[in-house]
Amino acid sequence: KNEVEQSPQNLTAQEGEFITINCSYSVGISALHWLQQHPGGGIVSLFMLSSGKKKHGRLIATINIQEKHSSLHITASHPRDSAVYICAVPLIQGAQKLVFGQGTRLTINP
Amino acid sequence: GAGVSQTPSNKVTEKGKYVELRCDPISGHTALYWYRQSLGQGPEFLIYFQGTGAADDSGLPNDRFFAVRPEGSVSTLKIQRTERGDSAVYLCASSTSGTSGMKTQYFGPGTRLLVL
Repeated sequence: KNEVEQSPQNLTAQEGEFITINCSYSVGISALHWLQQHPGGGIVSLFMLSSGKKKHGRLIATINIQEKHSSLHITASHPRDSAVYICAVPLIQGAQKLVFGQGTRLTINP
Repeated sequence: GAGVSQTPSNKVTEKGKYVELRCDPISGHTALYWYRQSLGQGPEFLIYFQGTGAADDSGLPNDRFFAVRPEGSVSTLKIQRTERGDSAVYLCASSTSGTSGMKTQYFGPGTRLLVL
């Protein structure tokens, strides 16, 4: 079993829809990362959170430490949001070695 | 300001050859990370440097893989006797000091390695 599981693996939606991507992990963590990867490989860090909720523009990330679960939400989705979204957690609490989920490929159609 | 850069962007080599992949981190970032990403998968940790020393090299798959960061800035990932299974995108990231909790990592564009 992978330490980090994401769902769904693929998601296609229409422009304007509310998007939710889920991440469950099995290790104890100090912080969880959400990353965005566009075609061509570039990875951008979206959020790093250790509790509660963070918001940046149309992106919202939440985490429930007790349930070992995090969600990434996109409101008013747009075709430019199409990318692979990856969550990552440190394998050992406080360590820098990250374990990554397999990614969720999001396609937003106009 | 300049982000993390990686060279070359693409590398095609033959099985058995030696390759070097270079990473230039963001200036002033003391922590540097190497990852490998196979098609359709999330990145996989290889090695993490804090300054000049490898703080964690537990992700290196075998002794054909080696990485250095002699002056605490640029890092080189070296792969000896390449195998077709080494084909992947090799990603580098850097962050401010990793010794006091998790830090945001800034990723380079990656080097796409193809071993024929």
